[in-house]
Amino acid sequence: EAGVVQSPRYKIIEKKQPVAFWCNPISGHNTLYWYLQNLGQGPELLIRYENEEAVDDSQLPKDRFSAERLKGVDSTLKIQPAELGDSAVYLCASSPGMGETQYFGPGTRLLVL
Amino acid sequence: AQSVTQLDSQVPVFEEAPVELRCNYSSSVSVYLFWYVQYPNQGLQLLLKYLSGSTLVKGINGFEAEFNKSQTSFHLRKPSVHISDTAEYFCAVSGNTGGFKTIFGAGTRLFVKA
Repeated sequence: EAGVVQSPRYKIIEKKQPVAFWCNPISGHNTLYWYLQNLGQGPELLIRYENEEAVDDSQLPKDRFSAERLKGVDSTLKIQPAELGDSAVYLCASSPGMGETQYFGPGTRLLVL
Repeated sequence: AQSVTQLDSQVPVFEEAPVELRCNYSSSVSVYLFWYVQYPNQGLQLLLKYLSGSTLVKGINGFEAEFNKSQTSFHLRKPSVHISDTAEYFCAVSGNTGGFKTIFGAGTRLFVKA
């Protein structure tokens, strides 16, 4: 069974540029999460989807971050414009349902110069 | 509100020695507790979880953890570590308030030396 797929694995951009990350969850998993992981820290939830509905986006900086999961399967997280402080690893995870074990992708490591 | 504290940021240990990684949590409701491992340049992988029932939980790779409600702890243990156990370990808590939002600790870096 394929795991959670994320692309790209690495991204280097200049500040003020836009960037997008893509995630394909495990087949059949209704819940999808985007996390931010800073160096030396644990993951922090940005947004959680139940199917195509965003049920928790309270930690998403909505002035520059946006996300979508149009058909309730794969998802895209976008930053526009990127700032130096956005340099981090962006993790995607999925689970069969709310409260169940989360399965993580390898992450996208973003460096903003 | 829920929170997780991992008491050690780094734990160096010699190969074949026992190890304990400490985790304390705070929550006003019933909790689910997890330990995840993260190898370099990889995502997190579930080691074990406590949902209910027996307070001693066994996971993969010989790890186990004990849920102690009175001390609000969920320490991770392994009786004999291997070089390959070198990784970052995260404790996490989830509860049935806030829609089962999962809160992660800051992580403990386990470094196994030969």
